[in-house]
Amino acid sequence: RKEVEQDPGPFNVPEGATVAFNCTYSNSASQSFFWYRQDCRKEPKLLMSVYSSGNEDGRFTAQLNRASQYISLLIRDSKLSDSATYLCVVNTDPRSYNTDKLIFGTGTRLQVFP
Amino acid sequence: DAGVTQSPTHLIKTRGQHVTLRCSPISGHKSVSWYQQVLGQGPQFIFQYYEKEERGRGNFPDRFSARQFPNYSSELNVNALLLGDSALYLCASSYTSGRDTGELFFGEGSRLTVL
Repeated sequence: RKEVEQDPGPFNVPEGATVAFNCTYSNSASQSFFWYRQDCRKEPKLLMSVYSSGNEDGRFTAQLNRASQYISLLIRDSKLSDSATYLCVVNTDPRSYNTDKLIFGTGTRLQVFP
Repeated sequence: DAGVTQSPTHLIKTRGQHVTLRCSPISGHKSVSWYQQVLGQGPQFIFQYYEKEERGRGNFPDRFSARQFPNYSSELNVNALLLGDSALYLCASSYTSGRDTGELFFGEGSRLTVL
């Protein structure tokens, strides 16, 4: 079983749609969680951290369910510029924010069309 | 401000050759990590260095090695290249191992093709 698993994608959605991505992780000791965005042939960039209480940043909402070891990302009112691959990232280090132990999922590709 | 810089950006090698990839972290960042990203997959952790010491190693063969210099720049070396080593090699820096926010700042990568 992979340490971090994501929806296979690709997701093809029209502008304005709401789309949700899911991610599960296998290590129950994981302490911190992130969503990174990667544009085609570019480097990954942090989109947002995921907190236990859930967090929102504009049109993006991230949720964490520790009991089910499940993370989600919701994008509302999709824009053409949201087209990218979204990587679920889990930190398995018990010291929480140490970047030694970041495990990336395979990513889910989103394509927003006009 | 300069971000993470990597060189070369693209290179082509043949099987059995050796390659050296270079990375300069963001000024003030002391931690450098290397990742391999094969097409269609997420980045896979290879090494992390902090203050010139190896802090972590992923599941890669001994053909892969790295080091960090006093100015915090880093090199990744791969010996006896195989076709399967063809990938995008990403370098990432972070503020300080153990004190950062978990955010990695990636360079644009070095795209290696092995023929």
